[in-house]
Formats: sequence, structure tokens, C-alpha cells
Amino acid sequence: DQQVKQNSPSLSVQEGRISILNCDYTNSMFDYFLWYKKYPAEGPTFLISISSIKDKNEDGRFTVFLNKSAKHLSLHIVPSQPGDSAVYFCAASVGDSWGKLQFGAGTQVVVTP
Amino acid sequence: ETGVTQTPRHLVMGMTNKKSLKCEQHLGHNAMYWYKQSAKKPLELMFVYSLEERVENNSVPSRFSPECPNSSHLFLHLHTLQPEDSALYLCASSQDRTAYNEQFFGPGTRLTVL
Repeated sequence: DQQVKQNSPSLSVQEGRISILNCDYTNSMFDYFLWYKKYPAEGPTFLISISSIKDKNEDGRFTVFLNKSAKHLSLHIVPSQPGDSAVYFCAASVGDSWGKLQFGAGTQVVVTP
Repeated sequence: ETGVTQTPRHLVMGMTNKKSLKCEQHLGHNAMYWYKQSAKKPLELMFVYSLEERVENNSVPSRFSPECPNSSHLFLHLHTLQPEDSALYLCASSQDRTAYNEQFFGPGTRLTVL
């Protein structure tokens, strides 16, 4: 049973515009959410996280929004750059769950010139 | 070497073979993980080790056998695998085993079982 879902397998966006990636979850016990980015032939790298006590976290061009009532989070990338072309994974956990992250299937982002 | 390294990067094996995947972290972390990523599927956690003790086995078949001889090294021993075990196997480490700590991933081993 997949508890974290990324329903858009791919996203194409023009350079300079905003990329919005979405993620939905079903487990109301999740209290920590992360986004990872993965280039081909490399492992995922951590991008940004948010605790359930917040509804927004910002780090440079990356902002994550959390809507607990809707069990939905989103990642905004502004402005999008060609180097942002990668697969983005949403992940969630219950804080003290022995490091058990539940991952979504990923969204492939392509930033075009 | 920095970060998390994995060897080999690619492995092709028959169903009767025995092979091992190796992971090494150079970050001084206390927790290490094995994940499996099958095509078009999310990453699935397989095993969690904290201070060399296995703390989680996520219902993984016994044909996968992990070993953590010290906090820097993690192995995944493979025997009598099935073709459906073909996947990308990723190792990760974190400062400790709580989910609040960022996990650092290696590049993965692409395994093909014939």
C-alpha cells in the first residue's frame, strides 16, 4: 500500500519559470517530509524538508508547502534552471520510526531553454 | 573518497550465483540503510542498521542477507535470486537512525538477475 504518491510522473517547464511538484500522502501519522533530487547514475540527494508543525519552509529557490488537512505537500522551484532537470522524490516519515522513509515514485522534471 | 560509495556499480548474476554488494560511508554516521528501487516504483526500504545492530528488516526475503561489520561498512549478500530482484540497490547513511536526520545516498548498484 503506497502511502506517499506523486501522481505526475513528468513535468516540463521553461527556464526561468516556476516548477511546482506535488505529493499526496495517506498516513496522518507522518510528521516529517523531505524532498530528494536524483540525477542519472547518482544517488538521491537531500533538497529540503519540513516538519508538520510548519506549513512552509524556504531555502533559496526552493520552497516546500505543507497542507496537513489535505495531506498534500508541494515543492516550488523559482526560477527553474537547466540544472534542475532531474527526478524529484517526495518522502515522509513518522519522526522516531527508525529512519523509515516512505518514498513517492518520483517526478521527472525537464527544464527547457 | 567522500560521502557514500558503493561497489560494484553494475552486476549481472545468474539465479544460482552468490554475490555481495558493498557500501562504505566516510561521513562518521551511525546509521546505514539498504533500499531497493525497481523500475517505475518508489524506493523501498530493506534494512536499517544503527550502531552496527540491525534494527529493521522490512519483510525482506532471506535470499538477501545484510551484514554490518562496523559503522562504516555495510554489505548485502545475495544468493539464489530471482529475475524480479533485478533493480537498483541503494545504500544510505545518516547521523543516527531517527527520520529527522538527512540520509545521504550512494550512487547505487544496478543488479540484473538472469
